Amino acid sequence: EPEVTQTPSHQVTQMGQEVILRCVPISNHLYFYWYRQILGQKVEFLVSFYNNEISEKSEIFDDQFSVERPDGSNFTLKIRSTKLEDSAMYFCASSLSLPVGTYEQYFGPGTRLTVT
Amino acid sequence: RKEVEQDPGPFNVPEGATVAFNCTYSNSASQSFFWYRQDCRKEPKLLMSVYSSGNEDGRFTAQLNRASQYISLLIRDSKLSDSATYLCAVRANQGGKLIFGQGTELSVKP
Repeated sequence: EPEVTQTPSHQVTQMGQEVILRCVPISNHLYFYWYRQILGQKVEFLVSFYNNEISEKSEIFDDQFSVERPDGSNFTLKIRSTKLEDSAMYFCASSLSLPVGTYEQYFGPGTRLTVT
Repeated sequence: RKEVEQDPGPFNVPEGATVAFNCTYSNSASQSFFWYRQDCRKEPKLLMSVYSSGNEDGRFTAQLNRASQYISLLIRDSKLSDSATYLCAVRANQGGKLIFGQGTELSVKP
């Protein structure tokens, strides 16, 4: 069964450093998402991406964040200058497969980001 | 009012019990509704989509009440392996973001 994959599974970084989280969505999906979950809190939407551009972003997704689809398979989330409060689990998700369209979102296993 | 609100947990039930979770949403324009299951420190896994007519998948039944802006999940004959956090998620439009509730923890005991 196809699945979303994410690397690395755990990233430890120092405050102020840049990090790039990587995702490989399900191959025939067209919509891509990033969510985050701070420990003990709910899953929160960050950004959605469709047709090579951001389609929606939350207020969390400020100028420190960016997304990119550098090739036909990878989808990345970059945090330019990490803060302690960026420590969270980051989930990538994808949806909408063709020709039989379904908008159900499938999540990757997550990257645990720890900012020290 | 929170966008998506779930029953606070935890629910502690014996094996074989029937348990029901409720979820309310504030945006009447919401189009799609889902139940996800999340094991500790893992990703949300799609359990089922919720359709207007209600739907069933084995021991799991989901219902939607648009008038009351409320969805529910019923688990019959609970198994130890059902122990997890159940997340309600709502989406306003096709391809759009999911808004999650805070989750309800279920613990099934022998």
